[in-house]
Amino acid sequence: RKEVEQDPGPFNVPEGATVAFNCTYSNSASQSFFWYRQDCRKEPKLLMSVYSSGNEDGRFTAQLNRASQYISLLIRDSKLSDSATYLCVVPPVVDKLIFGTGTRLQVFP
Amino acid sequence: DTGVSQNPRHKITKRGQNVTFRCDPISEHNRLYWYRQTLGQGPEFLTYFQNEAQLEKSRLLSDRFSAERPKGSFSTLEIQRTEQGDSAMYLCASSLPGTTSEAFFGQGTRLTVV
Repeated sequence: RKEVEQDPGPFNVPEGATVAFNCTYSNSASQSFFWYRQDCRKEPKLLMSVYSSGNEDGRFTAQLNRASQYISLLIRDSKLSDSATYLCVVPPVVDKLIFGTGTRLQVFP
Repeated sequence: DTGVSQNPRHKITKRGQNVTFRCDPISEHNRLYWYRQTLGQGPEFLTYFQNEAQLEKSRLLSDRFSAERPKGSFSTLEIQRTEQGDSAMYLCASSLPGTTSEAFFGQGTRLTVV
């Protein structure tokens, strides 16, 4: 089993839609979790950290389910500019950043 | 520019040749990471450093790959006897230590082995 797994997609959604991605991880000892965004032919950039209590940043909500070992990212009111690949990051030990394969999102008009 | 810098941006080499890439991290960052990314995949962990110490090297990495960070500042990644399967984007990232530190990536070096 891979350390971090994601549905590769693509998820094709219309503008204004709500879309959610999940990411499962295998190491129950992981303590920190992140979502990164990668635009086509660009480098990954941090989107948000995922806290135990869940966190929200505008239209984006990230949640952690330790019992089932997955994290989720919810995007509300999708914009064309949200089209990108979303990468989850689950360090098995502090600072060793392991990326998932990424989920590609395409928002269409 | 105070971001992560990688050189060269593109490299085309013949199979069997050696190549070396350089990464200059953000100056105060003591963590430095190397990743490899192919089309449709997420960044694959290769190795990482705390200052000049190499903390871990991926088991997926063959002995043809070596990375150094001699003075705890810039880092080099060398691939010996390149193979066509080495063609990929090689990404470097740096961060401060800590459980919630953001990793900043360079724009990568695209390697094509012909």
